[in-house]
Amino acid sequence: DAGITQSPRYKITETGRQVTLMCHQTWSHSYMFWYRQDLGHGLRLIYYSAAADITDKGEVPDGYVVSRSKTENFPLTLESATRSQTSVYFCASSQQGARSEKLFFGSGTQLSVL
Amino acid sequence: SQQGEEDPQALSIQEGENATMNCSYKTSINNLQWYRQNSGRGLVHLILIRSNEREKHSGRLRVTLDTSKKSSSLLITASRAADTASYFCATDAGAAGNKLTFGGGTRVLVKP
Repeated sequence: DAGITQSPRYKITETGRQVTLMCHQTWSHSYMFWYRQDLGHGLRLIYYSAAADITDKGEVPDGYVVSRSKTENFPLTLESATRSQTSVYFCASSQQGARSEKLFFGSGTQLSVL
Repeated sequence: SQQGEEDPQALSIQEGENATMNCSYKTSINNLQWYRQNSGRGLVHLILIRSNEREKHSGRLRVTLDTSKKSSSLLITASRAADTASYFCATDAGAAGNKLTFGGGTRVLVKP
């Protein structure tokens, strides 16, 4: 029972490069979320998805792209990485969404943009 | 801006003591949730309390919710060193979407 997994665990890249962070869940949950965590800001929602092919912006979507072609995968792409995108990124999932139930979180991806 | 704000930002207590942290939020909610994060790890769900509930217990955890004041508290009784972590409150967006908004968290240090 793998649950929700993120890869890579650590990533170092350079400004201007494209980077894709992967998120995979084995529960067939409808909802998936991407958050970033920075010191002093807690967790901020980047994008979320209610189902395959349905995505919506969160609080800080600029510079990020998501897709959801399959229910179990929700990749996050930084099209042209900037230093301000250095952060820890967390993926989460739930079946019914935040209105009625808890979220399950992955272990995170620590991204450094040099 | 953050929906939830925790207070205090940091808390240091001795093992066996109780730890209390508070959360305030701004808009109407369907539920409020508390999560724990150990250093370098993902978030783990602790308790979900719905807007029509006033108090909820889970083991050594007690959560209260006052919707008239838009505030919640998390009490950890008889704390242990293993309770050392950051604690976050999170609220759903009410009518604005099926997503969670997190506060900045309270860092709790339990000294043995």
